[in-house]
Amino acid sequence: DQQVKQNSPSLSVQEGRISILNCDYTNSMFDYFLWYKKYPAEGPTFLISISSIKDKNEDGRFTVFLNKSAKHLSLHIVPSQPGDSAVYFCAAERQGAQKLVFGQGTRLTINP
Amino acid sequence: GAVVSQHPSRVICKSGTSVKIECRSLDFQATTMFWYRQFPKQSLMLMATSNEGSKATYEQGVEKDKFLINHASLTLSTLTVTSAHPEDSSFYICSARDPQDSPLHFGNGTRLTVT
Repeated sequence: DQQVKQNSPSLSVQEGRISILNCDYTNSMFDYFLWYKKYPAEGPTFLISISSIKDKNEDGRFTVFLNKSAKHLSLHIVPSQPGDSAVYFCAAERQGAQKLVFGQGTRLTINP
Repeated sequence: GAVVSQHPSRVICKSGTSVKIECRSLDFQATTMFWYRQFPKQSLMLMATSNEGSKATYEQGVEKDKFLINHASLTLSTLTVTSAHPEDSSFYICSARDPQDSPLHFGNGTRLTVT
């Protein structure tokens, strides 16, 4: 049972344009959502998070949007840079449970 | 920010041997650490929750006798893959949460190859 889903295994975006990565979840108990970036042979690096009491959180070039009714969140990166090329994982948890559930990841490639 | 250190980064071992992986929280104390496993092109799957001073909690389908976890101090958890077999070859990643800082932070992972 995949509780967190990233349906796009890969995404290719031109440098300078907007990258939009999507994530859906099924467990309505999740109330904290995170995005991680991962390079090959390295551990995930935390990017940005959002609590279920918000619908948007912004940090520099990164913005996460949460649509609770649709059980959907997205990560926007603008402008996209070559260094953003990596695998991005969406993750969710129920605060207090301390267990992160990850999506399958989306490989983002930024083309010069 | 919080730093989680994992060692070794890469290990190759022969089938039947045991391998120990260490996970340390460098600038904070972690009563709980988490061990994940990632197969190629797949998601990170939680294997077990390591609890300082008590037994680890294993996820369904994870053999506790095969993946021994010890969390002897507030800054160190170890995962020992016992009697390793080629199907245990994977990328193992530990993580911990700084109580002062909400998100989970990850180590750099250990690539285990069992020949």
